[in-house]
Amino acid sequence: QSLLTQPPSASATPGQRVTLSCSGGRSNIETLPVNWYQHVPGAAPKLLIFSNDQRPSGVPDRFSGSKSRSSASLVISDLQSEDEADYYCAAWDDSLNAVAFGGGTKLTVL
Amino acid sequence: QLQESGPRLVEPSGTLSLTCTASGGSIYNPYWWAWVRQAPGRGLEWIGQTFHRGSSDYNPSLKSRVTISVDKPNNRFSLKLSYVTAADTAVYFCAREGSPARPNRVRGAFDVWGPGTAVAVSS
Repeated sequence: QSLLTQPPSASATPGQRVTLSCSGGRSNIETLPVNWYQHVPGAAPKLLIFSNDQRPSGVPDRFSGSKSRSSASLVISDLQSEDEADYYCAAWDDSLNAVAFGGGTKLTVL
Repeated sequence: QLQESGPRLVEPSGTLSLTCTASGGSIYNPYWWAWVRQAPGRGLEWIGQTFHRGSSDYNPSLKSRVTISVDKPNNRFSLKLSYVTAADTAVYFCAREGSPARPNRVRGAFDVWGPGTAVAVSS
């Protein structure tokens, strides 16, 4: 059972905006930066967001992140078919002294 | 770029050994070098990470069986997981935590990944 909780699935149609959530606690999300990954099965995960809301170079601005207290969100605007993937949040946990990944959300583009 | 290598099949109770070779940059750079795995039908699981000066952090659930170390002369780092069982069957990824564009460390932000290598534990 993950320290960080994500809904197992989400779906939306092309062009829509979708919000993926990640819930944690005081020892991780509430006090430390959250990162988000996109993982297409068979490929390597890709860093989409770091430090709650920062995009690495090359990541489209359709992807945005935010954090409030012990929860974080990834918003994908103008959803495209190629956004169909698994999305993971990740953060350091100060109690475990370890990186915690959420269980992942499988995003289906209808 | 990162590339994993090592045996694809390991016997139960044996030791899983993988190497990750870094090309286009030095293992001495101020980054942490990590291993992450994904078992069939499961999510990503952080195994641990190390720094070239010798510091390491490990997943508490695997700590007693894991060693991650840097091979400086060959610009690579390795993973050793002992006493493996079928539950250790997974795709194993190596990754780099850090970026030239980000001077301050953000733990858990892995910018560069290897393509992954599938390892099965079976007799």
